Amino acid sequence: DAGVTQSPTHLIKTRGQQVTLRCSPKSGHDTVSWYQQALGQGPQFIFQYYEEEERQRGNFPDRFSGHQFPNYSSELNVNALLLGDSALYLCASSEANQPQHFGDGTRLSIL
Amino acid sequence: DQQVKQNSPSLSVQEGRISILNCDYTNSMFDYFLWYKKYPAEGPTFLISISSIKDKNEDGRFTVFLNKSAKHLSLHIVPSQPGDSAVYFCAAAGGNTGKLIFGQGTTLQVKP
Repeated sequence: DAGVTQSPTHLIKTRGQQVTLRCSPKSGHDTVSWYQQALGQGPQFIFQYYEEEERQRGNFPDRFSGHQFPNYSSELNVNALLLGDSALYLCASSEANQPQHFGDGTRLSIL
Repeated sequence: DQQVKQNSPSLSVQEGRISILNCDYTNSMFDYFLWYKKYPAEGPTFLISISSIKDKNEDGRFTVFLNKSAKHLSLHIVPSQPGDSAVYFCAAAGGNTGKLIFGQGTTLQVKP
């Protein structure tokens, strides 16, 4: 039983570019959440998707957007990349009222 | 505004002894609390959770205690094992929102 899978594992971009990160939830999970983890910090909530709609959003600018597909997989898009967007991006999946399970993340580096 | 705080960046414990990791929160709307463990190059792994209607939850070597009046929770690991060495995050959620607020993490080192 595969857990949460994320791709790619590492990515290098330059300022101003756009990036798309992908996440496949654990089998049976219908809710996907995205988090940003800066070095030495805890993960920070970006947004959550359920039934292909953004259900909740954290304090992130509109440059951060997402999508959930009918098979529950999800994408995180970041436009106009800034140096400060360099971080580990974590995807978590869950089913109703159950703990979130995390993937291993995508390490994004902005040059 | 740090709503969830883990004030000890690191903790070192001898194998076989008890490890106690602490977490404080400020938002009284939080009603669900979780602990995650994270190894390098891996995502956080769920350990144990507790609802605000309880003050203790136990799962094997792991026990979480919740003191609502003090807005404090702790994770006890007994006995500690070298494989427990990792970064531990506490997280909180409120109102069935599903949005987790994390602390900064505590690095636990268990020495053989």
